[in-house]
Amino acid sequence: GIQVEQSPPDLILQEGANSTLRCNFSDSVNNLQWFHQNPWGQLINLFYIPSGTKQNGRLSATTVATERYSLLYISSSQTTDSGVYFCAVEDDNYGQNFVFGPGTRLSVLP
Amino acid sequence: GAVVSQHPSWVICKSGTSVKIECRSLDFQATTMFWYRQFPKQSLMLMATSNEGSKATYEQGVEKDKFLINHASLTLSTLTVTSAHPEDSSFYICSARPETDESGAFFGQGTRLTVV
Repeated sequence: GIQVEQSPPDLILQEGANSTLRCNFSDSVNNLQWFHQNPWGQLINLFYIPSGTKQNGRLSATTVATERYSLLYISSSQTTDSGVYFCAVEDDNYGQNFVFGPGTRLSVLP
Repeated sequence: GAVVSQHPSWVICKSGTSVKIECRSLDFQATTMFWYRQFPKQSLMLMATSNEGSKATYEQGVEKDKFLINHASLTLSTLTVTSAHPEDSSFYICSARPETDESGAFFGQGTRLTVV
């Protein structure tokens, strides 16, 4: 099945700093989403981005499907950005279910 | 965005008892829903695909007799953990996706199960 890698596994930032999270995947995908899991476990949709670039406030994402990677940019980070960021891909060959990456654990310090 | 509601948010049960978790799509119909499990500090792993009106499809290594899935309507799927044991303690989360392809999948708030 498809493999999903994320880097870095852990990231500590000072409030106000910028960061880039990366997601690599091993095969072509129908769909790619970025999620933020908050401390209570809720998965928050950040971006549905099988290709191209999208922006939402301080966050933006870019997926280059032909090169099998996606990037999530966080600018001017805030303490509320802390949590785990997951990249999830929908396998072209396997219907609608998602394969999740291992996540990037982000801690933003005041 | 679309809303998927999961209930309960947390549950503590005694070993040997059964627990039912509900997953509802509140503002769209979902012929397919997905159940995931997440252990502490790990990623989400797909357990099974729930299909409205037919049997669920389980991932390799997931016991279908232990994790009973029922998808009786287009807006409701249930996961029943039967004869729960402490090793079943985990975070269970469901997802569904509206028919439109532009929105991606939405996830319930998850259920934290603790078996004592």
